[in-house]
Amino acid sequence: GAGVSQSPSNKVTEKGKDVELRCDPISGHTALYWYRQSLGQGLEFLIYFQGNSAPDKSGLPSDRFSAERTGGSVSTLTIQRTQQEDSAVYLCASSVGTGGNQPQHFGDGTRLSIL
Amino acid sequence: AQSVTQLDSHVSVSEGTPVLLRCNYSSSYSPSLFWYVQHPNKGLQLLLKYTSAATLVKGINGFEAEFKKSETSFHLTKPSAHMSDAAEYFCVVSDLINSGTYKYIFGTGTRLKVLA
Repeated sequence: GAGVSQSPSNKVTEKGKDVELRCDPISGHTALYWYRQSLGQGLEFLIYFQGNSAPDKSGLPSDRFSAERTGGSVSTLTIQRTQQEDSAVYLCASSVGTGGNQPQHFGDGTRLSIL
Repeated sequence: AQSVTQLDSHVSVSEGTPVLLRCNYSSSYSPSLFWYVQHPNKGLQLLLKYTSAATLVKGINGFEAEFKKSETSFHLTKPSAHMSDAAEYFCVVSDLINSGTYKYIFGTGTRLKVLA
């Protein structure tokens, strides 16, 4: 079956512009996660959605970052007024549920470059 | 809270020789542990998971890991390295956030280099 799909795969934009990154989770997966992977850094948790519950936004680095998940499926991560330090790979993952033994399945990421 | 430590940031092995990637965890309860592999410009692919069943876990591509509670370790091994194994490997522990909700805690990764 289809895996987690992210688009675009690459995005280059100028500092100060807004960007939208899209994630299509595996069908039937109720949990969806966004991570940021910067060069030389580990994976940084950003935000997490589970079903119809309020999202866990505790990892968002600033109020320029926001995310939504429409209809419990597709999610969009928006970064407003981009800065050079936002350059990173943004990874999306989904899982069947939030139980401790539920593995997360990752997309290939969006590589974001801010000029 | 849980934590996970990958003891080596880089490991180099010759093709055909064994691979050992080390991971130690801390947990106040019986953890779920995972190993993922990331090839260049790709997402993370699940290699294997431990969820309190058999302590020796077999995964894809000939990898396996052994959960050792007494040593709080979950090292990843493969008997014979292949050139295609060159990648970054992440050890992950699942951390209980609140009732029924878990988050991943990632190790810092080990970059495996396979020499011809």
